[in-house]
Amino acid sequence: EAGVAQSPRYKIIEKRQSVAFWCNPISGHATLYWYQQILGQGPKLLIQFQNNGVVDDSQLPKDRFSAERLKGVDSTLKIQPAKLEDSAVYLCASSSGTISYEQYFGPGTRLTVT
Amino acid sequence: GDSVTQMEGPVTLSEEAFLTINCTYTATGYPSLFWYVQYPGEGLQLLLKATKADDKGSNKGFEATYRKETTSFHLEKGSVQVSDSAVYFCALSANSGGSNYKLTFGKGTLLTVNP
Repeated sequence: EAGVAQSPRYKIIEKRQSVAFWCNPISGHATLYWYQQILGQGPKLLIQFQNNGVVDDSQLPKDRFSAERLKGVDSTLKIQPAKLEDSAVYLCASSSGTISYEQYFGPGTRLTVT
Repeated sequence: GDSVTQMEGPVTLSEEAFLTINCTYTATGYPSLFWYVQYPGEGLQLLLKATKADDKGSNKGFEATYRKETTSFHLEKGSVQVSDSAVYFCALSANSGGSNYKLTFGKGTLLTVNP
């Protein structure tokens, strides 16, 4: 069974530029999560989708971050414009239901904002 | 709100040494507790879990017991190997409304095992 795929693996941009990350979850997994992991900290949930609907986006900075999962499969997370403090690893995870301990994580995208 | 506090690293051990990584939590209600591991260059993997008080989770020689009275979930292994070198995250899952469960992570503990 293929795991959660993410791309790109690394991205370097200048502040005020925009960037997008892509995630393809495990086939059949209805729930998809985006996390932000700042160096030295644990992952923080940004947004959770159930199929193509948003379940929780309470910690998503909506003035600059957006995410979509149009067909209930893959998802994109966008930052526009980026700030220095957005430098982090962005993790995508998926699960087959709403019980969170069944989450499977992708390798992450490391973003550096200069 | 919910929070997880885990032992700060880095932790450096020799092969075959005993490992303990402390983890305590604060949560309303009755959370489930987890340890995740992140090997270099890889995503997080679930290592073990416990869903109710006094449960013991175990996997790959690692163990942790859900202690409600001390709100703790310490990770232990009797004899570590070089291949155990990784970052370990303690986490809890609590109901955040309806059927939605939200994972809250600790900051992670870097373990390095030397031969």
